Amino acid sequence: SQQGEEDPQALSIQEGENATMNCSYKTSINNLQWYRQNSGRGLVHLILIRSNEREKHSGRLRVTLDTSKKSSSLLITASRAADTASYFCATVHTTGYSTLTFGKGTMLLVSP
Amino acid sequence: GAGVSQTPSNKVTEKGKYVELRCDPISGHTALYWYRQSLGQGPEFLIYFQGTGAADDSGLPNDRFFAVRPEGSVSTLKIQRTERGDSAVYLCASSPTGSNGYTFGSGTRLTVV
Repeated sequence: SQQGEEDPQALSIQEGENATMNCSYKTSINNLQWYRQNSGRGLVHLILIRSNEREKHSGRLRVTLDTSKKSSSLLITASRAADTASYFCATVHTTGYSTLTFGKGTMLLVSP
Repeated sequence: GAGVSQTPSNKVTEKGKYVELRCDPISGHTALYWYRQSLGQGPEFLIYFQGTGAADDSGLPNDRFFAVRPEGSVSTLKIQRTERGDSAVYLCASSPTGSNGYTFGSGTRLTVV
């Protein structure tokens, strides 16, 4: 089963604009991770935020986490055409093993 | 190797046939995971190995699916009597023990015709 729900399902923007994707989840987590996927194949890890963190930055990426609302957001600033991909959030539960539970993803299209 | 290697990259098989999908994790990574991704969906967990043993196989959809990792490195996902609904991209990931640093392979796209 898939725990997370990304919003929106698809996002189309122009180069230079910012892209914001949201993720909601259902159960308590140890951490939340964002991944990028090109052409439906390999997933690339972007950033991990722990349950006791509220915000994290990595280059043009900014991730926030609100555990009271069970939600996270991924902001990509100054987007480029090369950012075109699908983006997934994935959670690691507080119980059980460190397996990832993915959402359905947001498909981002950045036009030149 | 430098990354997680999955072979074959594409596999087309006829309904009812048996298939094996291989995953070669990063050297030294004791944790190995298999996921399945259908078109337009996020990856879904299948099975997790810690070393040679399957620590969690709760994601395997039925008894046609099983996986092995006999020497704690390479893993093989085996699907018997394939069905058209098994068509998906099968992803493998590995990580060091106790770490959340997952590295995914490029996946095997399985098509059952």
